[in-house]
Amino acid sequence: GENVEQHPSTLSVQEGDSAVIKCTYSDSASNYFPWYKQELGKGPQLIIDIRSNVGEKKDQRIAVTLNKTAKHFSLHITETQPEDSAVYFCAASNNYQLIWGAGTKLIIKP
Amino acid sequence: DSGVTQTPKHLITATGQRVTLRCSPRSGDLSVYWYQQSLDQGLQFLIQYYNGEERAKGNILERFSAQQFPDLHSELNLSSLELGDSALYFCASSEGQGAGYEQYFGPGTRLTVT
Repeated sequence: GENVEQHPSTLSVQEGDSAVIKCTYSDSASNYFPWYKQELGKGPQLIIDIRSNVGEKKDQRIAVTLNKTAKHFSLHITETQPEDSAVYFCAASNNYQLIWGAGTKLIIKP
Repeated sequence: DSGVTQTPKHLITATGQRVTLRCSPRSGDLSVYWYQQSLDQGLQFLIQYYNGEERAKGNILERFSAQQFPDLHSELNLSSLELGDSALYFCASSEGQGAGYEQYFGPGTRLTVT
């Protein structure tokens, strides 16, 4: 079955710098890759997603890249702000079941 | 506000007891998912229902069961509770049955087993 690995588990960056979180997946049939953000005390919320027919997608300060050959995808956050502090989860699916990464705690240092 | 509601917000109970968590999906969503999140842990997928039928099963213990009713709300039943069952339980809903739909998460139910 599908397995998703996410790194790093904790990431601390200076406010204004960029942050990158990486995920790898095992099932080459996976075709949907969402990223969810979980703020303290809340449920996760979708922030961006990408499908396998696209290599990159951007939405303001966040972007996701997908390398199907290497089976990995990454979340890029530029010009980080205090409100970016949260836990970020990647996931992958082949349309049957969504498999989640273990999460990355992003800390933005003032 | 995601539109998904969960009750109760907090629940404190003793080992060996049974509890029921309730979830109302967003209007129009037919799928309901249940997740368990222990302290500083990731999301563990438990089970998915679509339009009243079980669709996918994750790491759900035999002591746990769920159902989705005709009005699409769902309940997660946890029995013979153990200390290790203490966690946040999230419900999420989505429009379709496949995994390619955005999931909208509720605020969670925090269960404490003493």
